[in-house]
Amino acid sequence: QQKVQQSPESLIVPEGGMASLNCTSSDRNVDYFWWYRQHSGKSPKMLMSIFSNGEKEEGRFTVHLNKASLHTSLHIRDSQPSDSALYLCAASGSSNTNKVVFGTGTRLQVLP
Amino acid sequence: AQTIHQWPVAEIKAVGSPLSLGCTIKGKSSPNLYWYWQATGGTLQQLFYSITVGQVESVVQLNLSASRPKDDQFILSTEKLLLSHSGFYLCAWTGANTGQLYFGEGSKLTVL
Repeated sequence: QQKVQQSPESLIVPEGGMASLNCTSSDRNVDYFWWYRQHSGKSPKMLMSIFSNGEKEEGRFTVHLNKASLHTSLHIRDSQPSDSALYLCAASGSSNTNKVVFGTGTRLQVLP
Repeated sequence: AQTIHQWPVAEIKAVGSPLSLGCTIKGKSSPNLYWYWQATGGTLQQLFYSITVGQVESVVQLNLSASRPKDDQFILSTEKLLLSHSGFYLCAWTGANTGQLYFGEGSKLTVL
């Protein structure tokens, strides 16, 4: 069964700092990766997606993907206290996009 | 615009009692619908998905069942709750063919 592993489990960064989160899938059939953010008591919201090798930037958020190693990373620059949340990586393959597997999560805390 | 509504928002139930959680989506015809479960502070575990009325695929059952009685409705139920059923239940639909998920606001279940 596909597993999606995230690291670190938790991360504390100062306000204005850089947060770097990692995610690796064990399934070679994975084609799509997403990063979701979930604030406490709320439902997850999609933050960024990446489907091709390389890098994608949206505002303070940058995501990288290396398809050969099935590794993606999310970088948040100029971190804000409002970025404090659970970050979940998700992956699926083009052969069955109905099975989306979520990673173990990284809990980010940004200290003012 | 599509909207997804889950009910109830929260439930406190006794072990052994029945449960029914619901989800309705508006503004999207023939959506793919999903149920996810999340233990407190944990990752999301996919339970069921449905691509059409009357058809439900089980991913992980956890002594739960799901039904799709209408195009815009997805129901999660069990006749006998276990303590391990406690958690946050999320209904979702997919947008693009890649499998990006849009979640409802969730139903928090506490089993005592």
